[in-house]
Amino acid sequence: GNSVTQMEGPVTLSEEAFLTINCTYTATGYPSLFWYVQYPGEGLQLLLKATKADDKGSNKGFEATYRKETTSFHLEKGSVQVSDSAVYFCALAQGGSEKLVFGKGMKLTVNP
Amino acid sequence: DAGVIQSPRHEVTEMGQEVTLRCKPISGHDYLFWYRQTMMRGLELLIYFNNNVPIDDSGMPEDRFSAKMPNASFSTLKIQPSEPRDSAVYFCASSFGVHVNEQFFGPGTRLTVL
Repeated sequence: GNSVTQMEGPVTLSEEAFLTINCTYTATGYPSLFWYVQYPGEGLQLLLKATKADDKGSNKGFEATYRKETTSFHLEKGSVQVSDSAVYFCALAQGGSEKLVFGKGMKLTVNP
Repeated sequence: DAGVIQSPRHEVTEMGQEVTLRCKPISGHDYLFWYRQTMMRGLELLIYFNNNVPIDDSGMPEDRFSAKMPNASFSTLKIQPSEPRDSAVYFCASSFGVHVNEQFFGPGTRLTVL
């Protein structure tokens, strides 16, 4: 079945550090890929998405590129801020499916 | 513009009691999803509706759980009787049409069953 594997956390970084959160997926066909973020005490919100191979999603300084050859969708940010402290979820939707498959999430803490 | 609204935000109850969680989706959205989040299992989809009709309830743990959507602006998730293992954060999310996977989540209801 479809699945998403994220790197284990939690991760603690200093402000302005470079961030990479790894995400790989298993799916048939061509899924759409997503990153959702959950700030403390809140529900998840969509951060960025990519719907086909080589697409790059970007938002709020975060980027992720859909790599079909490596079945990956790693999240990157060049300089993190304290306000980026949150839990980050990678997710996929099989083509035409109305259901998202989420990874387990990775907690990021950014210290000043 | 109001987002997804859930109530209550926190619920503490005793084992065996009935619990009802409520959700108001974003106006105009035609999909509604109920999720459960725990440390052990992560985020699980319980059930989802399209145009008020349940489409897939395969994630509902057992017969103690039921969900309804009587109209486009209201949904409930009921647990009867509740058990300690039901303790979790329950999220409602909504989305629209071809953007079904771009879901807007509510703030969640933290349920504790003693």
